[in-house]
Amino acid sequence: SQQGEEDPQALSIQEGENATMNCSYKTSINNLQWYRQNSGRGLVHLILIRSNEREKHSGRLRVTLDTSKKSSSLLITASRAADTASYFCATDESGGGADGLTFGKGTHLIIQP
Amino acid sequence: DAGITQSPRYKITETGRQVTLMCHQTWSHSYMFWYRQDLGHGLRLIYYSAAADITDKGEVPDGYVVSRSKTENFPLTLESATRSQTSVYFCASSVQGVESPLHFGNGTRLTVT
Repeated sequence: SQQGEEDPQALSIQEGENATMNCSYKTSINNLQWYRQNSGRGLVHLILIRSNEREKHSGRLRVTLDTSKKSSSLLITASRAADTASYFCATDESGGGADGLTFGKGTHLIIQP
Repeated sequence: DAGITQSPRYKITETGRQVTLMCHQTWSHSYMFWYRQDLGHGLRLIYYSAAADITDKGEVPDGYVVSRSKTENFPLTLESATRSQTSVYFCASSVQGVESPLHFGNGTRLTVT
């Protein structure tokens, strides 16, 4: 069953603008991870944020986590054409039966040059 | 070059045939995972393995078999392929299960006719 749900499903912006994607989930988590997937390729890990953390940065990426609202956001600043990809959030459910991440359906981001 | 490799990259098979998808990692990661990616469903966990000779079911294990006789290999077998198993299959590995980033291969696109 789907744990995380990304919003919006698709986003198109101009190069140089900031892109924000949101993720909502349903159950308590240990951590939340964001991944990027370029067309025809595997997923690439971006950031892992633990349940006791509120914000993490990595280069042009900023991730926030609000466990009270069961939501996370991924901000990409100063977007580039190379950022065009699908972005997925994935959760590690607290007390989850299967020891695997549960992925959302993704946000497809298009950066217009 | 260290990494995680999947083979074949593309496979077409007929309904009822047995097919094996290969996955090999060079990091000696303890954990390995198999996911399938379908439009409208995102990524769903099929099987995972915490160590050699230890495997467990994920969300959608029916019709699949895995083995892990060596740490570096985690083959996925479709015993009798069905059209519903047409999908893109991703193998991943990690150091500490879902408490650490997953490293994905580039996938196998399987078509069952």
